Amino acid sequence: AQSVTQPDIHITVSEGASLELRCNYSYGATPYLFWYVQSPGQGLQLLLKYFSGDTLVQGIKGFEAEFKRSQSSFNLRKPSVHWSDAAEYFCAVKGNQGGKLIFGQGTELSVKP
Amino acid sequence: DAGVIQSPRHEVTEMGQEVTLRCKPISGHDYLFWYRQTMMRGLELLIYFNNNVPIDDSGMPEDRFSAKMPNASFSTLKIQPSEPRDSAVYFCASSLILDSPLHFGNGTRLTVT
Repeated sequence: AQSVTQPDIHITVSEGASLELRCNYSYGATPYLFWYVQSPGQGLQLLLKYFSGDTLVQGIKGFEAEFKRSQSSFNLRKPSVHWSDAAEYFCAVKGNQGGKLIFGQGTELSVKP
Repeated sequence: DAGVIQSPRHEVTEMGQEVTLRCKPISGHDYLFWYRQTMMRGLELLIYFNNNVPIDDSGMPEDRFSAKMPNASFSTLKIQPSEPRDSAVYFCASSLILDSPLHFGNGTRLTVT
C-alpha cells in the first residue's frame, strides 16, 4: 500500500536561512508526487509536482523538490526562507494509474525573524 | 475562476443533530473529493466523485456519513446523527482529471458538542 512519511512534525528556521523538508514514500512503482502548503484557516495550495522526467522540479514561491528513487524521497527545498513561508507543508503520493492521493502528516514550519 | 467554494466556513452543532456541508467545485473539473483533517489522523480521503458518480467511498467512516453530487456544480456531505468525534475540518477539492493536481476549498470547521 502507498504511504507517505514526513519525519519532522515541526521545524523552525531563521528568515533568510535555507530550508529542507523531508518526505519519504512507499510505493511499488513510479509514483506521482506532490507538495502542498496550507496557511492557517486556508485550504491546501499546490507548490509543485513530479510525474516523470527531470528529477529536480521547480515550483511556485521559489520552492524546488528532488525525486530520488533510490532513497524513495521527495524532499522540498528553498534556498532562502521568508517570514511568509511559515505554514504547514504536506507531501502527497498517488499511483501512476489513478488511485487515491495519500498525504503525509505534515510539517509545520516556523520562521524566526 | 472563483476556486472551490465551501460553506459554511464554521459549523457548531450539538451531538445528534444533522450537519450538511456544501461544496461548489471549479467549473469544468470532472473530479470532486471530500477530505477530513484532524490532528490525530491528518488528511483522510472520505469519498470522491467522477462526473457526479461516486467512485470510491471506502474512506467514509460509517453509515452516519453520506455524500451526494446531484449535478456538476454542487456536492454535499451529510452527517446524521453527528457525534463529538466528527469534529474536524472538512475539505472539498476538485481536479480536471484524476491525475491532475487538486484544488482545495478553504474548508468547513465542524465542532460537535
